[in-house]
Amino acid sequence: GAGVSQSPRYKVAKRGQDVALRCDPISGHVSLFWYQQALGQGPEFLTYFQNEAQLDKSGLPSDRFFAERPEGSVSTLKIQRTQQEDSAVYLCASSLARGGPYEQYFGPGTRLTVT
Amino acid sequence: AQSVTQLDSQVPVFEEAPVELRCNYSSSVSVYLFWYVQYPNQGLQLLLKYLSGSTLVKGINGFEAEFNKSQTSFHLRKPSVHISDTAEYFCAVGQAGTALIFGKGTTLSVSS
Repeated sequence: GAGVSQSPRYKVAKRGQDVALRCDPISGHVSLFWYQQALGQGPEFLTYFQNEAQLDKSGLPSDRFFAERPEGSVSTLKIQRTQQEDSAVYLCASSLARGGPYEQYFGPGTRLTVT
Repeated sequence: AQSVTQLDSQVPVFEEAPVELRCNYSSSVSVYLFWYVQYPNQGLQLLLKYLSGSTLVKGINGFEAEFNKSQTSFHLRKPSVHISDTAEYFCAVGQAGTALIFGKGTTLSVSS
């Protein structure tokens, strides 16, 4: 079946612009995670949804970052007034169900470059 | 709090040689352990995971890892690497239903 998809794959934004990054999880997956991967680093947690509920947003670096999953499937990560330090790859992952050590399936990521 | 340390940032090896990528973790609670591989411009793909039971875990592409609780390690091994194994490898820890904590990654470069 289809995996996790993300769009756009690449995004160039001028400093100060708002961006929206989309994630389509695997159908039926309850849990959805967003990670930020800076160049040469491992992914770092941003936020976590269980269905439409955002259960953990402790990793969001500032109030310019906002995520939503209104119908419990597609999720959007929005970054307002982008800054150069926001340049990174943004990864989305989904997993089957709440609880349990279920595997997280990752999308290809969106590479954001802020100029 | 949990953390992951990947002891080598880069590992160059020749084709058909064995390789070991080292991972140590710290956690005050029981965790699950994972190795992911990332090819250029792609997302992460799960190689293998340790949940419980046998400490030797076999994964895809001929990789295996051994969980050592006393040394808090989860090293990844392959007896004979191929050029196609060139990629970035990430060790991660997690608990049920939570986000993963990743190491900084190890770049495996296989040359002929």
